[in-house]
Amino acid sequence: NAGVTQTPKFQVLKTGQSMTLQCAQDMNHEYMSWYRQDPGMGLRLIHYSVGAGITDQGEVPNGYNVSRSTTEDFPLRLLSAAPSQTSVYFCASILAATGELFFGEGSRLTVL
Amino acid sequence: AQSVTQLDSHVSVSEGTPVLLRCNYSSSYSPSLFWYVQHPNKGLQLLLKYTSAATLVKGINGFEAEFKKSETSFHLTKPSAHMSDAAEYFCVVSGSNNAGNMLTFGGGTRLMVKP
Repeated sequence: NAGVTQTPKFQVLKTGQSMTLQCAQDMNHEYMSWYRQDPGMGLRLIHYSVGAGITDQGEVPNGYNVSRSTTEDFPLRLLSAAPSQTSVYFCASILAATGELFFGEGSRLTVL
Repeated sequence: AQSVTQLDSHVSVSEGTPVLLRCNYSSSYSPSLFWYVQHPNKGLQLLLKYTSAATLVKGINGFEAEFKKSETSFHLTKPSAHMSDAAEYFCVVSGSNNAGNMLTFGGGTRLMVKP
């Protein structure tokens, strides 16, 4: 019963490097989201998707890209990492009928 | 538009005493409301949810919350705190639909439990 799986759990990047955070869910949820969590800032929405092929920007989208080629997968790409992107990232899938969020365990990213 | 305000950023209680974490919301819709808990270095886990059924909602680990429409509140309570309850708690409200952009998070309340 995997739920939402995020990888990697930890990553250190140098400024300017690119990387992809992977997110997969096995609950057949149409809705998925990416959040970042910073001390004192709560969770902020980066990008979200309402189904395969459909994505949109959230509150803090700059510096991040997403795609949704399948219902299961929702990767988050950092094209050119910056120290301001040092954060903990959470992927979530959403049960559309109620809005209940199912979170991955998080990815801690450090950009030097 | 909708918003969620968690009235206390930090709450400290002694083990065995009651817990009250306060959440007020505003919404143009009939919202669903949720409480999530996050233990250190972990993801968020659902504690309980209100989705327009009974206004008193029971969750896991002895927590409950009461939806009060007249007060636009959804406070989280527990009769007796346990050391394992020390964590951060988030109140979340849904909007006109439940897509990611319609789920609004409160700023979080860090619960500390003293022995």
